[in-house]
Amino acid sequence: GQQVMQIPQYQHVQEGEDFTTYCNSSTTLSNIQWYKQRPGGHPVFLIQLVKSGEVKKQKRLTFQFGEAKKNSSLHITATQTTDVGTYFCAGPRGANNLFFGTGTRLTVIP
Amino acid sequence: DAGVIQSPRHEVTEMGQEVTLRCKPISGHNSLFWYRQTMMRGLELLIYFNNNVPIDDSGMPEDRFSAKMPNASFSTLKIQPSEPRDSAVYFCASSLGQGLLFFGPGTRLTVL
Repeated sequence: GQQVMQIPQYQHVQEGEDFTTYCNSSTTLSNIQWYKQRPGGHPVFLIQLVKSGEVKKQKRLTFQFGEAKKNSSLHITATQTTDVGTYFCAGPRGANNLFFGTGTRLTVIP
Repeated sequence: DAGVIQSPRHEVTEMGQEVTLRCKPISGHNSLFWYRQTMMRGLELLIYFNNNVPIDDSGMPEDRFSAKMPNASFSTLKIQPSEPRDSAVYFCASSLGQGLLFFGPGTRLTVL
């Protein structure tokens, strides 16, 4: 069945350091979405990537979709304490459904 | 816009009791999803509805779980009888059918 794995599962960084999480799918994806969940909160949509090799930026966050559309990455430059949370990638399953990755929990040490 | 509304926010109950979780999706959204989140299993899809019709309930753990969507603005997830292993955060989410999900704040369920 379809699987979406993320690595690493946990990451601790010093404030100001960079952070990257990787998402790998067992199947080709028509698009990929990224969500952020703050501690005690709910997942919040960040971005959707559709095109092969697509790169999108949101301030210090850079999202990339692989050429084969089977992997994706999220890179945060110069992390801040507000970046703390779990980052999920999600791929489509069926017409309206999403399959969430395992998530990467980011801790930022002040 | 009120966003997705869930109630209750917290529920503590004893094993064997019936639990009903409620969700009001964003007005105009035609898809509604119920997810369960635990440390061990992550974010799991339980069931989703499209235009009030259940489309995929393969994630519903067992017969103790049931979900209904009587109209476009309301859904319930019922667990009867509840068990300690059902303790988790249950999220409801809605979408316009483009796969972009808007999550509610969740219901934290504890079954003693």
